[in-house]
Amino acid sequence: DTGVSQNPRHKITKRGQNVTFRCDPISEHNRLYWYRQTLGQGPEFLTYFQNEAQLEKSRLLSDRFSAERPKGSFSTLEIQRTEQGDSAMYLCASSFAGGFTEAFFGQGTRLTVV
Amino acid sequence: TQLLEQSPQFLSIQEGENLTVYCNSSSVFSSLQWYRQEPGEGPVLLVTVVTGGEVKKLKRLTFQFGDARKDSSLHITAAQPGDTGLYLCAGAGGGFKTIFGAGTRLFVKA
Repeated sequence: DTGVSQNPRHKITKRGQNVTFRCDPISEHNRLYWYRQTLGQGPEFLTYFQNEAQLEKSRLLSDRFSAERPKGSFSTLEIQRTEQGDSAMYLCASSFAGGFTEAFFGQGTRLTVV
Repeated sequence: TQLLEQSPQFLSIQEGENLTVYCNSSSVFSSLQWYRQEPGEGPVLLVTVVTGGEVKKLKRLTFQFGDARKDSSLHITAAQPGDTGLYLCAGAGGGFKTIFGAGTRLFVKA
């Protein structure tokens, strides 16, 4: 297991379409995080899972966004009815659960909504 | 709400110069991480500091965690063009999520 893997790396979609991204975490890690990063900013927290349970969601995550982690392994992030403001880099990270966190990130999925 | 403020936002220096970037908060963090991110890529973890006053060195990079665990600094000695990138600090507080500062964008000119 070489690290966190995200697919696709790039996605261009028309406004109003639905998109789904996949994240495969480091296999021993039971925490999985989704972040969004816009140009010139640091990553913003969207949601995280411990095993298959989604434990926290940011207020940034509107009803159009949904994330799942069936069986506590890979995760998907779906955006319905995409808007131009959804254009960003979507980053996935994973870590152990424990006294402190060290999150290891994937390479991200760059979404462009046209 | 926990916030991490990074300064400066942007830094352009000549190869061989030294620099320090800062990460500050009014909140206490159980640990702070430093990441480096290149354009179009995800952040790469450089170091985690856990104990107040802790100093860690990674080749030409020196990381320090404040005594009160509210701030951290990253010092780079004799910067090289390969150090160019976005340096992000991130903190794990009492909750489960990691929050990030907006980053310092460093450009090292040859």
